[in-house]
Amino acid sequence: QVQLVQSGAEVKNPGASVKVSCKASGYTFSSYGISWVRQAPGQGLEWMGWISAYNGNTNYAQKLQGRVTMTTDTSTSTAYMELRSLRSDDTAVYYCARDCTGGVCYNPLWYWGRGTLVTVSS
Amino acid sequence: DIVMTQSPDSLAVSLGERATINCKSSQSVLYSSNNKNCLAWYQQKPGQPPKLLIYWASTRESGVPDRFSGSGSGTDFTLTISSLQAEDVAVYYCQQYYSTPLYTFGQGTKLEIK
Repeated sequence: QVQLVQSGAEVKNPGASVKVSCKASGYTFSSYGISWVRQAPGQGLEWMGWISAYNGNTNYAQKLQGRVTMTTDTSTSTAYMELRSLRSDDTAVYYCARDCTGGVCYNPLWYWGRGTLVTVSS
Repeated sequence: DIVMTQSPDSLAVSLGERATINCKSSQSVLYSSNNKNCLAWYQQKPGQPPKLLIYWASTRESGVPDRFSGSGSGTDFTLTISSLQAEDVAVYYCQQYYSTPLYTFGQGTKLEIK
């Protein structure tokens, strides 16, 4: 069965960086992509970006351009999301979700990780 | 970006009664290649990730009870729970995947028991 296992909760100071991992199993990792979605406390869902595990192509939400980097390691079937210059409003649960590999595939997000809480506080 | 607007923001319904949640997109999400609407509904319970309920606006995901149904086309969509059960208490989100992979979600509708 498809599983996405995310890394544990993080507490960071403002201005720091965080790197969240998402280890996939139950499918051929390089045949799909990963989208990252975040959810601030008590708030809705915000798509952050997408990466193809096939060729590393990315597409980031405009508001995060320059602060976010998504990567994959096909040898360990793991996706990573790094967010830099953290601010208090980056405090959120960060989810990874399996997506398509081509970037334009007209599919919903079927499989989600359980989320990683990132708290930004001094 | 396509803006998704849900109504109401919260809803209280008696057990066994019908619950209806609306979702409006700022532009059509009809995919011309298959004449289907790129609209999904998710259910999220506290401390859990979103769970896919409905896709292509009206196709129920495997294992989802048939009391959940989706309808609509173009820019206006509805999620209906025909007979509310206690386990349906959750927040419900609509999502467009027309502008894939630039997905956008509605703000969520909190469903409670009256």
